[in-house]
Amino acid sequence: NAGVTQTPKFRVLKTGQSMTLLCAQDMNHEYMYWYRQDPGMGLRLIHYSVGEGTTAKGEVPDGYNVSRLKKQNFLLGLESAAPSQTSVYFCASSSRPSNTGELFFGEGSRLTVL
Amino acid sequence: AQSVTQLDSQVPVFEEAPVELRCNYSSSVSVYLFWYVQYPNQGLQLLLKYLSGSTLVKGINGFEAEFNKSQTSFHLRKPSVHISDTAEYFCAVSGVVTGGGNKLTFGTGTQLKVEL
Repeated sequence: NAGVTQTPKFRVLKTGQSMTLLCAQDMNHEYMYWYRQDPGMGLRLIHYSVGEGTTAKGEVPDGYNVSRLKKQNFLLGLESAAPSQTSVYFCASSSRPSNTGELFFGEGSRLTVL
Repeated sequence: AQSVTQLDSQVPVFEEAPVELRCNYSSSVSVYLFWYVQYPNQGLQLLLKYLSGSTLVKGINGFEAEFNKSQTSFHLRKPSVHISDTAEYFCAVSGVVTGGGNKLTFGTGTQLKVEL
């Protein structure tokens, strides 16, 4: 019963370094999402995907890139990390569009950029 | 544009007391409304949702919420809370975004702290 798995769970980066967060889901869901959670700001959508090979921008996409080469995986990349990207990142998936379907979340990846 | 306002950032309550977590929304289209719960160091999980039909929605763990269109509210209630209900609760509204597709907008969260 893995559900949605995120790796790594914790990471510390220096400004300018790059990294990739991996999200894997085993529920055969079409839709996948990346959110960031910051104190007092709730969750904000970074990028999302409505199916294998497709991606789209959310409300805060700048500084991030994503890829969905396989249906079960959704990668979030930071090419040149900045302190403003210090946050907790959540991946989610759903079998239906987010407006009607239940989202299943991973446990989060805590990223600190120094 | 759509938005969600959670009026209380923190709500302390004693065990076995009732609780209400407030949520107001704005949207120019028909809405779907959700409450998610986040336990410490975990991801969010769906508590309940309103898509259509009865305005009183029952969810997991004894929670319920009432959709009030005239007051644009979707408050979450539980008649008697338990220590294990200590968590952060997020209200969310869905709607159409520019360019098509749909988007789920989350509120800023309400931290419920249940005390003995």
